[in-house]
Amino acid sequence: RKEVEQDPGPFNVPEGATVAFNCTYSNSASQSFFWYRQDCRKEPKLLMSVYSSGNEDGRFTAQLNRASQYISLLIRDSKLSDSATYLCVVRRSGGSNYKLTFGKGTLLTVNP
Amino acid sequence: EPEVTQTPSHQVTQMGQEVILRCVPISNHLYFYWYRQILGQKVEFLVSFYNNEISEKSEIFDDQFSVERPDGSNFTLKIRSTKLEDSAMYFCASSEGRGSDTIYFGEGSWLTVV
Repeated sequence: RKEVEQDPGPFNVPEGATVAFNCTYSNSASQSFFWYRQDCRKEPKLLMSVYSSGNEDGRFTAQLNRASQYISLLIRDSKLSDSATYLCVVRRSGGSNYKLTFGKGTLLTVNP
Repeated sequence: EPEVTQTPSHQVTQMGQEVILRCVPISNHLYFYWYRQILGQKVEFLVSFYNNEISEKSEIFDDQFSVERPDGSNFTLKIRSTKLEDSAMYFCASSEGRGSDTIYFGEGSWLTVV
């Protein structure tokens, strides 16, 4: 089983749509969870951390279910500028270990 | 906003040659990383570096690879005897290293081995 698995996509949605991304992780020792976005041939950029209580940042809402080892990202009122690949990322922390494990990503295209 | 800088942005090298990719992490950061992304694939961890030594490395990071912090600002990845399958985007990253802080990525160095 892959360490981090995401919807394969791609997703094509019209502007204003709501889109949901799903992710599962296999290592129960994972302690920190993130959504990154990556534009074509660019570096990953942190979109938001994901907390157990769920968290929201404007149009973006992230949820974590530790029991199910499941993470989600919801984008409301999508904009053209949201077009990117969304990466689910987990981190096992301990000692000097801050290694990130990435999912393969889900490509989102928002159409006018 | 402080940023991680990488050079070169793109390098083409012949198979069998040695390549050095350079990075300047954010100045007060203590942890440094190299990741790579083969075209169309996921971002993969290569190595983490703390207190002038490797703290963790992946299976990918074999004897062909080495890292060094030659001075107080640069962090380098050396790839010896490059192979076609080393063609990828190589990302340097750094973090302060406290708690669940953010890891910041550089813009990447695109390596093409021909």
